[in-house]
Amino acid sequence: NSKVIQTPRYLVKGQGQKAKMRCIPEKGHPVVFWYQQNKNNEFKFLINFQNQEVLQQIDMTEKRFSAECPSNSPCSLEIQSSEAGDSALYLCASSLENYAEQFFGPGTRLTVL
Amino acid sequence: QQQVRQSPQSLTVWEGETAILNCSYEDSTFNYFPWYQQFPGEGPALLISIRSVSDKKEDGRFTIFFNKREKKLSLHITDSQPGDSATYFCAARTGGYKVVFGSGTRLLVSP
Repeated sequence: NSKVIQTPRYLVKGQGQKAKMRCIPEKGHPVVFWYQQNKNNEFKFLINFQNQEVLQQIDMTEKRFSAECPSNSPCSLEIQSSEAGDSALYLCASSLENYAEQFFGPGTRLTVL
Repeated sequence: QQQVRQSPQSLTVWEGETAILNCSYEDSTFNYFPWYQQFPGEGPALLISIRSVSDKKEDGRFTIFFNKREKKLSLHITDSQPGDSATYFCAARTGGYKVVFGSGTRLLVSP
């Protein structure tokens, strides 16, 4: 069973508000991924880190989305100005290395009103 | 463009029957195929996976059959149980980090 911890489980924001969610990867996993799963069950890769360094990210992430994985603190994903289309389940996954099995947390369900 | 396709969208079987979930892909460079099981309110959990050098992978009641030539694979769940009711995602990956997910098959096992 995965031991990736995500908080909060549910997040409700108004349009234009900031939304921040956190992830504690499984112990010993230096690689962290963020995905967005929409209501149609489509997964979209957002960004991944190895330790504190960004490995890859999509263009969307570079604009309103920001993420970090500071040492000795939870990783976080923040949406600067939430839009209705951002409503989704945000999944954090961790792995031993970039090309290894990914283990998912329970997700943060964001609703933007 | 959907690189990984799953069918059917939803499937209902009786307890004890075999559920067959199908998956196909387009990118011939995909060489690793994990299947994830997701229950409502939870994140996806890795169920079973196969590499393209194999044509079959078995783990208990779960078996993947892989046809590289046709770019198709299927997940067979034998002796289906009500607790298997979930959404199953076929995914694919090349040698890199990016995992491409299908849109899922929602399985309902009726007692």
